[in-house]
Amino acid sequence: DQQVKQNSPSLSVQEGRISILNCDYTNSMFDYFLWYKKYPAEGPTFLISISSIKDKNEDGRFTVFLNKSAKHLSLHIVPSQPGDSAVYFCAARYYGGSQGNLIFGKGTKLSVKP
Amino acid sequence: ETGVTQTPRHLVMGMTNKKSLKCEQHLGHNAMYWYKQSAKKPLELMFVYNFKEQTENNSVPSRFSPECPNSSHLFLHLHTLQPEDSALYLCASAPSQILSGELFFGEGSRLTVL
Repeated sequence: DQQVKQNSPSLSVQEGRISILNCDYTNSMFDYFLWYKKYPAEGPTFLISISSIKDKNEDGRFTVFLNKSAKHLSLHIVPSQPGDSAVYFCAARYYGGSQGNLIFGKGTKLSVKP
Repeated sequence: ETGVTQTPRHLVMGMTNKKSLKCEQHLGHNAMYWYKQSAKKPLELMFVYNFKEQTENNSVPSRFSPECPNSSHLFLHLHTLQPEDSALYLCASAPSQILSGELFFGEGSRLTVL
């Protein structure tokens, strides 16, 4: 059973508007959550992370929100730009685990239309 | 030059062939990883090496054999693969001590097993 779920395989947003990508998880032992972005024919690149002791982390146009009681996190992109069109992966790490042992979601393909 | 380089980018092999995937990182990291991304599935961790020592083997079949001769290079030796092994194989690296779980990925090797 998947421990990290991205239930929306795709999302389409108009340029300048807000993009909200969602992620749900089942394991309370996750201590870090990360978002990666992947363009076609490229490897995933790290975008932003949040510790489980925080509920918000912001970096420029990107903000990640964590709701531990709901086991839910979301990535907000404001304003969305055509260059943001990519597949976004949510990932989670076990408390005390190897930094490489990330559990990934299946990804959400974001399309930002001009 | 990207931080993590993978070769070949594309590989087609028969079930009886023996081939290898290569990964090289130029970031001075001490930990390296192999991940597998199959169609419509999340990225799955295969192997972890820390200071050239294998620290995790995520129940990977023996037809996949990793090798890490030094902290900058990682290989994945392939033999008698099955068609269901066709996937994108991603290499990643990270400093040994990293709090947030951030990994640096290569562009991947697209493997097709006939």
